[in-house]
Amino acid sequence: GAVVSQHPSRVICKSGTSVKIECRSLDFQATTMFWYRQFPKQSLMLMATSNEGSKATYEQGVEKDKFLINHASLTLSTLTVTSAHPEDSSFYICSARGQLGNNEKLFFGSGTQLSVL
Amino acid sequence: KQEVTQIPAALSVPEGENLVLNCSFTDSAIYNLQWFRQDPGKGLTSLLLIQSSQREQTSGRLNASLDKSSGRSTLYIAASQPGDSATYLCAVWGDGNKLVFGAGTILRVKS
Repeated sequence: GAVVSQHPSRVICKSGTSVKIECRSLDFQATTMFWYRQFPKQSLMLMATSNEGSKATYEQGVEKDKFLINHASLTLSTLTVTSAHPEDSSFYICSARGQLGNNEKLFFGSGTQLSVL
Repeated sequence: KQEVTQIPAALSVPEGENLVLNCSFTDSAIYNLQWFRQDPGKGLTSLLLIQSSQREQTSGRLNASLDKSSGRSTLYIAASQPGDSATYLCAVWGDGNKLVFGAGTILRVKS
């Protein structure tokens, strides 16, 4: 079946460094990818929506210069957390939407736990 | 702005018990409602998707209902098993094909 691969699954970094998270759709073309953030015991919050080849659309309150999203191909989107700080520590999940057979499907990555020291 | 609330926040039941998880949403203008399962530190697995024109969906021991006019959905789990232990998330599809999630119900099924 269709799989969305998210890498890395866990990252620990020092404050001030940048972290890149990759999201790949393995056997379908993802026309749209979504990036979510989840704090402990809270809902998944949509951060941004990206369509292949165009700029991402960010939700209100999400800094586009801090969370850089690139969707350069139909199978890959990346989220870069620039100059990470402890308050950026969270669980980040991507999802990819694309055509699979006659239906449009949405699949989620396995998430990335980011810990900023 | 759409808000999704899930009750209870946590639930602990003995194995074999039938249980109901509740989800409510403030804006009834939704396209679909979807229930997901999330295991600790993992991504989401879709369980059931109910289109706005439907009243319920069933898959195995799971049954989800939707009452759009009252802004409510329930997920019924029959004959619960320890392997059902996870966080269950309710999400509604709204404008712009965006999902709005509830905070989830943490389920623990004791053997």
